Amino acid sequence: LAKTTQPISMDSYEGQEVNITCSHNNIATNDYITWYQQFPSQGPRFIIQGYKTKVTNEVASLFIPADRKSSTLSLPRVSLSDTAVYYCLVGVPYNNNDMRFGAGTRLTVKP
Amino acid sequence: EPEVTQTPSHQVTQMGQEVILRCVPISNHLYFYWYRQILGQKVEFLVSFYNNEISEKSEIFDDQFSVERPDGSNFTLKIRSTKLEDSAMYFCASSEPRVARSGNTIYFGEGSWLTVV
Repeated sequence: LAKTTQPISMDSYEGQEVNITCSHNNIATNDYITWYQQFPSQGPRFIIQGYKTKVTNEVASLFIPADRKSSTLSLPRVSLSDTAVYYCLVGVPYNNNDMRFGAGTRLTVKP
Repeated sequence: EPEVTQTPSHQVTQMGQEVILRCVPISNHLYFYWYRQILGQKVEFLVSFYNNEISEKSEIFDDQFSVERPDGSNFTLKIRSTKLEDSAMYFCASSEPRVARSGNTIYFGEGSWLTVV
């Protein structure tokens, strides 16, 4: 199982771009990288998923270098409501049903 | 947007009692999961379920726990003889059928908060 390492916490200000990096040195060939957002007392919410290079959706971008040993979640112009815990998961549910969360990164956005 | 629904949202039970947490996964999903999160801690994997049997389970998922898909829509987690340390938020999740050359996304419910007293 690919273990992930993320910063425990990050602070930012409204309107800034936030980049959260996750290390996953032993990622397997078939593994995808998925990021989730969790607010207090709520279930994790899917943000973005990718395999390689760059993926962008209406919420975020995900940058994955060629060696895939890390990935960076980029949140453009954060607002106070983006304050949450962000988790990076590595694996594929159908191939690796044991999808485990790491400790996550607690992002605090300040006014 | 389809969602995973869980009941009850909050349950208080006495130590030693049995608890059943219920989940209705997204309708076309075939993989089902239970996770738990103790207050202030990370989300922990408990078990995954596919084709009417357990696919994977963590070290947390011991004989005290069981899962069942009693009909075509519900997915349940039973906790026998609850302990104080079982107090946590329990999340049900589901994911789509396997799709070649793409990852699958796990969708989570809003959780059932269990308090054991």
